[in-house]
Amino acid sequence: DTGVSQDPRHKITKRGQNVTFRCDPISEHNRLYWYRQTLGQGPEFLTYFQNEAQLEKSRLLSDRFSAERPKGSFSTLEIQRTEQGDSAMYLCASSLRGEAAEGETQYFGPGTRLLVL
Amino acid sequence: SQQGEEDPQALSIQEGENATMNCSYKTSINNLQWYRQNSGRGLVHLILIRSNEREKHSGRLRVTLDTSKKSSSLLITASRAADTASYFCATELRMDSSYKLIFGSGTRLLVRP
Repeated sequence: DTGVSQDPRHKITKRGQNVTFRCDPISEHNRLYWYRQTLGQGPEFLTYFQNEAQLEKSRLLSDRFSAERPKGSFSTLEIQRTEQGDSAMYLCASSLRGEAAEGETQYFGPGTRLLVL
Repeated sequence: SQQGEEDPQALSIQEGENATMNCSYKTSINNLQWYRQNSGRGLVHLILIRSNEREKHSGRLRVTLDTSKKSSSLLITASRAADTASYFCATELRMDSSYKLIFGSGTRLLVRP
């Protein structure tokens, strides 16, 4: 257990429905990342937050995707009008960025596995 | 697109043997990290090596980094059945203020008891 939790762990939905995932990072971590992982591939970056500010979004994040991190604590990722191609594992990670730009460890949650029928 | 490529894609060894996985990347990095993922689970951080380091050890793990060849290797010595997992290298790119990780496609390791 890394200290990062995600809910739900599994979600099955029908095409066209909206889904929302939640991530609770390690409490003192100021950075939060969302990644998506499809079968047999490594995770791909979606978006990241520094405290409550969303500072970067990948081109993978279409207009149907939105992420928030109110108050710089937990984060939600919503997918509207889901498509079968959205089926994947959605991973959240958090880290604490210090002053030195020497690298940081990202701590990953267990992921939410989404299946769109 | 993914920056790193692991080699081999799959590796099957006998318990007790050493396992070596390689990773190549394309652009300048701040650091390179290795993660492990058990089937259907989240990723666990194994080790981080900075761009000015050449070798690092952690328990049974040894990581090397060759920035001139843009490659890294992960060696697991005296493997155990519990080491069975997918292993990913991830790079943190230089001059990227988000410090996001760019992952390779992973090596699936099977350690036979």
